[in-house]
Amino acid sequence: EDQVTQSPEALRLQEGESSSLNCSYTVSGLRGLFWYRQDPGKGPEFLFTLYSAGEEKEKERLKATLTKKESFLHITAPKPEDSATYLCAVSVSSASKIIFGSGTRLSIRP
Amino acid sequence: GAGVSQSPRYKVAKRGQDVALRCDPISGHVSLFWYQQALGQGPEFLTYFQNEAQLDKSGLPSDRFFAERPEGSVSTLKIQRTQQEDSAVYLCASSWVAGQYSATNEKLFFGSGTQLSVL
Repeated sequence: EDQVTQSPEALRLQEGESSSLNCSYTVSGLRGLFWYRQDPGKGPEFLFTLYSAGEEKEKERLKATLTKKESFLHITAPKPEDSATYLCAVSVSSASKIIFGSGTRLSIRP
Repeated sequence: GAGVSQSPRYKVAKRGQDVALRCDPISGHVSLFWYQQALGQGPEFLTYFQNEAQLDKSGLPSDRFFAERPEGSVSTLKIQRTQQEDSAVYLCASSWVAGQYSATNEKLFFGSGTQLSVL
């Protein structure tokens, strides 16, 4: 069964304290891996798509990387405005739909 | 409009009532998805439209759930005889990419959702 697992469930950091969020997946044929940001009371907002192992993408303080089994979202010197839930999702060849993980709730203290 | 618009933002229903949730996708987007998000969980797929055609409804949890997009733009998700387990946020997403297989391999634009509470 296709599965996406995110860890940790919640992460509290001090402003400027860098860290990484993990997304591990077990799927039958990965087509693409997505990272979305979701603020309270809002829908998910697209951040990155990664299509092949070894691929990396960056946007401001965020960098996403992909291996054959997992993806990492690295956050460098975070600011309070980076506080949100970060969702990982995959599209798979066996099903024409996106499978989301449960998310990591990130909180940055000033 | 600038983004995907959903209404109402909040809906409280008594158990057994029917509800209708509306989604206005980005103008020109041919693909439209409905997702259900329970508290603390990621969104789960409900149904997919390409223009006015409902091509996939495999995620609808029961025959109480019905969706339509009659003119290929605005979509309505209807839930009949609501139950407490229907309480969740219902998200709509759209894409300019046609085809569910292709659209799900590109970014989606989500609305802010409708939070449904069934008492």
